Amino acid sequence: AQKVTQAQTEISVVEKEDVTLDCVYETRDTTYYLFWYKQPPSGELVFLIRRNSFDEQNEISGRYSWNFQKSTSSFNFTITASQVVDSAVYFCALSGSGYALNFGKGTSLLVTP
Amino acid sequence: DTAVSQTPKYLVTQMGNDKSIKCEQNLGHDTMYWYKQDSKKFLKIMFSYNNKELIINETVPNRFSPKSPDKAHLNLHINSLELGDSAVYFCASSLLGGLAGGLSDEQFFGPGTRLTVL
Repeated sequence: AQKVTQAQTEISVVEKEDVTLDCVYETRDTTYYLFWYKQPPSGELVFLIRRNSFDEQNEISGRYSWNFQKSTSSFNFTITASQVVDSAVYFCALSGSGYALNFGKGTSLLVTP
Repeated sequence: DTAVSQTPKYLVTQMGNDKSIKCEQNLGHDTMYWYKQDSKKFLKIMFSYNNKELIINETVPNRFSPKSPDKAHLNLHINSLELGDSAVYFCASSLLGGLAGGLSDEQFFGPGTRLTVL
């Protein structure tokens, strides 16, 4: 069985602070993929990143960075110098041998001016 | 051009009614999905179709019936609507689906349909 845990339900930060969203996963598959999606208040789901289980390199995209550690089954997401527009619900998801994405329960991030 | 579109965006209806939500993708993808997002924002897979064939059918009441007339469309029909069906329903598509060739590709989501059952 696959499981994704996002222990942080809600996080509130002040603009320009750095914030890390945690994601811990469980799977028996040896090949799997991890994803992060953003859901802004407008409701759409926006793809942020995909990472396969064989690539543990960290990734940076602008103010966003991701840290994948197989040893701790974690795929954490850091926003540097947060902005109000980063306010959203962020979902971590896992796909393995099946077709569907297994989502975590999401972390609601509020960035205040 | 919208990649994955859903109609309607909002749907308000009475208990016991039958309703449909339509989904179309113009990405040439082989696999389409329906997800349900409940009031607590939890997203869960309902169905998946690959080349018009049902691949995933999670433990969803049989009042929900997906229909895929062609690769580009996956509609969701719901019979005898109940209060608990109120949710946001997302359609998604992906190029291959599953781990074809060792690749699990990105899923593109539609804008969602907010269903409210009164």
